[in-house]
Amino acid sequence: AQSVTQPDIHITVSEGASLELRCNYSYGATPYLFWYVQSPGQGLQLLLKYFSGDTLVQGIKGFEAEFKRSQSSFNLRKPSVHWSDAAEYFCAVGTNQAGTALIFGKGTTLSVSS
Amino acid sequence: KAGVTQTPRYLIKTRGQQVTLSCSPISGHRSVSWYQQTPGQGLQFLFEYFSETQRNKGNFPGRFSGRQFSNSRSEMNVSTLELGDSALYLCASSLAASGFQETQYFGPGTRLLVL
Repeated sequence: AQSVTQPDIHITVSEGASLELRCNYSYGATPYLFWYVQSPGQGLQLLLKYFSGDTLVQGIKGFEAEFKRSQSSFNLRKPSVHWSDAAEYFCAVGTNQAGTALIFGKGTTLSVSS
Repeated sequence: KAGVTQTPRYLIKTRGQQVTLSCSPISGHRSVSWYQQTPGQGLQFLFEYFSETQRNKGNFPGRFSGRQFSNSRSEMNVSTLELGDSALYLCASSLAASGFQETQYFGPGTRLLVL
C-alpha cells in the first residue's frame, strides 16, 4: 500500500536560515507528489506539486522541492525562512490506483525563532 | 474568485447524534473530496464526488456518507456519532476531469466536537 513518511514531527529554524523538510513515500511507480501548508485555523494551501519532468520543482512563497526516485524522497526546501513560514507542512502522494485520493504524511510543524 | 466554503465552521454534538456538513466548491469545479483530520490519524481521505457520483471512497465505516448536488455543492453526513469522530473535516474542490492534473483547493474546514 502507498504511504508517506515525514520523519520530523517538529523543526525549529532561525529566521533567515535555510530549511529542509523531509518526505519519503512508498509506491511502486512514480506517484504524483505534493507539498501543502496549513496555518492554524486554516485549510491546506498547495505549495508545489510534481507529476513528471524536471525533478526540481518551484512553488509559491519561495519553496522548492526535489524528487529523487532512487531515494523515494520529495524533500521541501527554502533558502531563507521568514517568521510567517511557521506552520504545519504536509507531504502527500497521489496515485492512479487511489483515484484522486491524496495520502498524506503526518506533517511537520515548523517553528521559526528570531 | 471565491474559494471553497464550508459550513458550519464549528459544531458541537453529543454521542449518538448525527451531523451534516456542507461544502460549496469553487465556481466551475465539479469534483469535491472530503478528508478527516485528527491529531492521531492525521489527514485521511473520506470520499470524492464528481458530477453527483461517488468516484472514490476511503476506508471509513458506513456511518460516513456523502452526496453531491447538481450545482456541485456537497454534503457529508455522519450518523450515530462517536467520540472518535471529533475532528477537522476538510473539503477540497477541483476541476478534476482527469485525476490529479488539476489542483485541489481546500476549504477552511469544519471543526466537529463530539461530547
